[in-house]
Amino acid sequence: RKEVEQDPGPFNVPEGATVAFNCTYSNSASQSFFWYRQDCRKEPKLLMSVYSSGNEDGRFTAQLNRASQYISLLIRDSKLSDSATYLCVVNKNTGNQFYFGTGTSLTVIP
Amino acid sequence: GAGVSQSPSNKVTEKGKDVELRCDPISGHTALYWYRQSLGQGLEFLIYFQGNSAPDKSGLPSDRFSAERTGGSVSTLTIQRTQQEDSAVYLCASSLMGGEGQPQHFGDGTRLSIL
Repeated sequence: RKEVEQDPGPFNVPEGATVAFNCTYSNSASQSFFWYRQDCRKEPKLLMSVYSSGNEDGRFTAQLNRASQYISLLIRDSKLSDSATYLCVVNKNTGNQFYFGTGTSLTVIP
Repeated sequence: GAGVSQSPSNKVTEKGKDVELRCDPISGHTALYWYRQSLGQGLEFLIYFQGNSAPDKSGLPSDRFSAERTGGSVSTLTIQRTQQEDSAVYLCASSLMGGEGQPQHFGDGTRLSIL
């Protein structure tokens, strides 16, 4: 089983739609969780950290479910510029190594 | 800017040659990571440096791969006797300190092509 698993998609949604991605992780001792976005042929960029209490940044909401070992990312009112691959990142319990999911591809259609 | 800087941005070389990739982390970041990403694949961890501690080399795929970090700042990743399967984007990331809660900031990567 992979350390981090994501549905690769692709998700094709119209502008203004709400879309949600989930990511499951295998190590119950993991403590740090992040969502990154990666544009085509670009480096990953931090989108947001995921806190136990859940957090929101504008149109983006991230949540953590420790019992079921998954994190989620919700994007409201999708924009064309949201088109990218979204990477789920989870650390090992020792803290110094991170596992990246293979990413979920999102295309927002006019 | 003050981001992670990698060089070269692109490298094309013949099979069997050695290559050296360079990473300048963000000033003050004590943790430095190397990853590689093949087309359409996720990031594969290679090696991790934290301050003056011994690096975590557990992700290096073979003994042809090695990395150094001099003076706790600049790092070089060396691939000896390159093979075609080494073709990938090599990404460097740094963070304020290794471990929990510290996000990584990535450089633009070096796109390596082995002919």
